[in-house]
Amino acid sequence: AQSVTQPDIHITVSEGASLELRCNYSYGATPYLFWYVQSPGQGLQLLLKYFSGDTLVQGIKGFEAEFKRSQSSFNLRKPSVHWSDAAEYFCAVATATNDYKLSFGAGTTVTVRA
Amino acid sequence: DAGVIQSPRHEVTEMGQEVTLRCKPISGHNSLFWYRQTMMRGLELLIYFNNNVPIDDSGMPEDRFSAKMPNASFSTLKIQPSEPRDSAVYFCASSLREGNQPQHFGDGTRLSIL
Repeated sequence: AQSVTQPDIHITVSEGASLELRCNYSYGATPYLFWYVQSPGQGLQLLLKYFSGDTLVQGIKGFEAEFKRSQSSFNLRKPSVHWSDAAEYFCAVATATNDYKLSFGAGTTVTVRA
Repeated sequence: DAGVIQSPRHEVTEMGQEVTLRCKPISGHNSLFWYRQTMMRGLELLIYFNNNVPIDDSGMPEDRFSAKMPNASFSTLKIQPSEPRDSAVYFCASSLREGNQPQHFGDGTRLSIL
């Protein structure tokens, strides 16, 4: 069965510290991978995407993610977190065999402490 | 550029009433998606359209839910009659049909059924 797993429900990080959010997927086909961020009361905003090529992709707001096929992972990172990064983060996967519908992980809530 | 526009942003109504949620996708996008987000179930895909045609409505919870897309620039999601368990945030998203094109989300409609 196809699935997207975000193992961490909630992460607390100090402002200025590094952040890594984990995402694992289970798909037979080559996936298209996305990270979205949702601030309270807002819709989902695309942070970055991976389709092919360089496995380290850069996104907006200083985020990056690395695709590791051998580990079926697409972890999101930021070297130095700002208070405005407090939000919920969703990993999502699409495949051609699933008509490119997005399958979302359950999300990881990030709290930033001063 | 205008993003996906949803209206209303908030809706509070009594059980049994008809509710209509509206969405204007990004101009030029040919796929449109309706999602529901709740604490218990996360993000659920309800239905999606390609070129104004409904492709997969397997996520629509009951016959009380219906969606239409009369033209490329407008879609509605209707609940009739509404029930308290329909309370959720409903998101509309649009994209280009090609698989590597990300979905762009509106800010959602927060629906409360009393």
